[in-house]
Amino acid sequence: GAVVSQHPSWVICKSGTSVKIECRSLDFQATTMFWYRQFPKQSLMLMATSNEGSKATYEQGVEKDKFLINHASLTLSTLTVTSAHPEDSSFYICSATPTGFSGNTIYFGEGSWLTVV
Amino acid sequence: SQQGEEDPQALSIQEGENATMNCSYKTSINNLQWYRQNSGRGLVHLILIRSNEREKHSGRLRVTLDTSKKSSSLLITASRAADTASYFCALDQGAQKLVFGQGTRLTINP
Repeated sequence: GAVVSQHPSWVICKSGTSVKIECRSLDFQATTMFWYRQFPKQSLMLMATSNEGSKATYEQGVEKDKFLINHASLTLSTLTVTSAHPEDSSFYICSATPTGFSGNTIYFGEGSWLTVV
Repeated sequence: SQQGEEDPQALSIQEGENATMNCSYKTSINNLQWYRQNSGRGLVHLILIRSNEREKHSGRLRVTLDTSKKSSSLLITASRAADTASYFCALDQGAQKLVFGQGTRLTINP
């Protein structure tokens, strides 16, 4: 079964509203989680690194005030798309690695489809 | 660009044939990973190959890595219709932050 859960899987929101996507590690604690965005028929692009208890680190070109990331606990990171517009419609997917684990296993969530109308 | 470059972008073969996808990159890596993504779904981890490894196998999958050429290949043998998906290489440059290639859309025709 999934070890990283995302919710919601699908969301439709009106332009100008905000929408929150959750990324939850089910069986482990994750100090760091990552958020990716994927437009149709394109690759995944890293948006930001979510750090538990501190500010997220955003990749170049990603607006931190538009994509708010909160990593308040060791098992939950949230991505809030603020004042969403149709161009924000995309597939958002998170990943997490168990804290303290020396291996390279990265677990991905199932992703969240956002459609802004 | 630090992104991996994959070729071909699309590949269509008959069931039972082998499929080979290639990934080239420009930076140094800790490891390189291959993922599968069915349309509109999440990622499925296939294989991780470390920078000091040259080849790994997993079932019908074979991955090679040539760090001198900064390239990797994914071979799927005896393809099946269920193998139809997009395949991505991902570069781990450290700290589990992945840089993905553009992907190869594989279609297996019955």
